[in-house]
Amino acid sequence: GIQVEQSPPDLILQEGANSTLRCNFSDSVNNLQWFHQNPWGQLINLFYIPSGTKQNGRLSATTVATERYSLLYISSSQTTDSGVYFCAVLRSGSARQLTFGSGTQLTVLP
Amino acid sequence: EPEVTQTPSHQVTQMGQEVILRCVPISNHLYFYWYRQILGQKVEFLVSFYNNEISEKSEIFDDQFSVERPDGSNFTLKIRSTKLEDSAMYFCASIPGLAHANTGELFFGEGSRLTVL
Repeated sequence: GIQVEQSPPDLILQEGANSTLRCNFSDSVNNLQWFHQNPWGQLINLFYIPSGTKQNGRLSATTVATERYSLLYISSSQTTDSGVYFCAVLRSGSARQLTFGSGTQLTVLP
Repeated sequence: EPEVTQTPSHQVTQMGQEVILRCVPISNHLYFYWYRQILGQKVEFLVSFYNNEISEKSEIFDDQFSVERPDGSNFTLKIRSTKLEDSAMYFCASIPGLAHANTGELFFGEGSRLTVL
């Protein structure tokens, strides 16, 4: 199956700092989504971004499908940004289930 | 904005008991999923459901699990006799239909936490 690798596995920031999270995948994809899992375990949809760039407030994401990676940018981080960030991909072809990466654990300190 | 809702948000049960987790997908969606996340691990696919039958299932989805769409709005996951290792977050997701299954955005609920004692 497709491999999804996220880096870094852990990231600690001071409030106000910027960060970049990376997602590499091993095969062509039709779908890529970024999620934020908050400390209560809830999974929040951030971006549906199989290619290109999107922005939503302080967050933006870029997927370069031809080079098989996606980046999630968090600017001016806040303590509420803490949690685990997952990317998930849908491999091109017959696959119909998302494959998740292992996540990046982000801690934003006040 | 339409959303997928899940109940209960947290359930505690004794080993061996039956559990039913409920999901209300987005109203015009027809293709549904259950995913599972054991604490500290990846989110894993369990099963997909379309046209009142299972579309695909993973090796995790054994005879202890079943899914059902009992009416026009609910989509349920039943675990017949819970084990300690069933403790996890369970996420429901939906998409509009089969045509979106290879490309479309999955809309996830916020999850149901199951704790088996």
